[in-house]
Amino acid sequence: QQPVQSPQAVILREGEDAVINCSSSKALYSVHWYRQKHGEAPVFLMILLKGGEQKGHEKISASFNEKKQQSSLYLTASQLSYSGTYFCGTAYNNNDMRFGAGTRLTVKP
Amino acid sequence: EPEVTQTPSHQVTQMGQEVILRCVPISNHLYFYWYRQILGQKVEFLVSFYNNEISEKSEIFDDQFSVERPDGSNFTLKIRSTKLEDSAMYFCASRRGQGFGGELFFGEGSRLTVL
Repeated sequence: QQPVQSPQAVILREGEDAVINCSSSKALYSVHWYRQKHGEAPVFLMILLKGGEQKGHEKISASFNEKKQQSSLYLTASQLSYSGTYFCGTAYNNNDMRFGAGTRLTVKP
Repeated sequence: EPEVTQTPSHQVTQMGQEVILRCVPISNHLYFYWYRQILGQKVEFLVSFYNNEISEKSEIFDDQFSVERPDGSNFTLKIRSTKLEDSAMYFCASRRGQGFGGELFFGEGSRLTVL
């Protein structure tokens, strides 16, 4: 039931863009994106809901293709602070959310 | 800003001992979760809890694990007889409303080390 994320790791220079993908084999209720810095708890970035609604509060965008059960997170003009591990979380019902294996993003000066 | 708090931040225990990890979710939240993360690996769902009962649990959440909401504020995870492979960071999370349209708020985690 866990979503599949790709790529596993990305290394960028400041200002470059990245795309992280998340796919599921089951129909999704919603997709969540979280970022985790080393030794810290995951922090919310974005929710994408069936029907196209999005909720987020950072300069990061995402898409959700309901037909394909896929989501992509777009990180544009990356900053050093974007470094961390990005997890997508997929919810299939009201009660649980499963996370992908994570994408480790490193932004270098 | 309201936050999820977890105690202890780090616990070291001997194999076979019982461990209780405690969480205080955000006060007006209704849905509670435990996740675990083995060092450097993914965040794994253990259990969700709503209306004083388990609503979903994963294959990891076997008979060694139990959860409880003993009062109006605490939410606990008990591991009855710890194994070496239980060593991990355990995260408690909560969310407010019905449906997964709202974000999960995570605590800072409890690191469990089983020797």
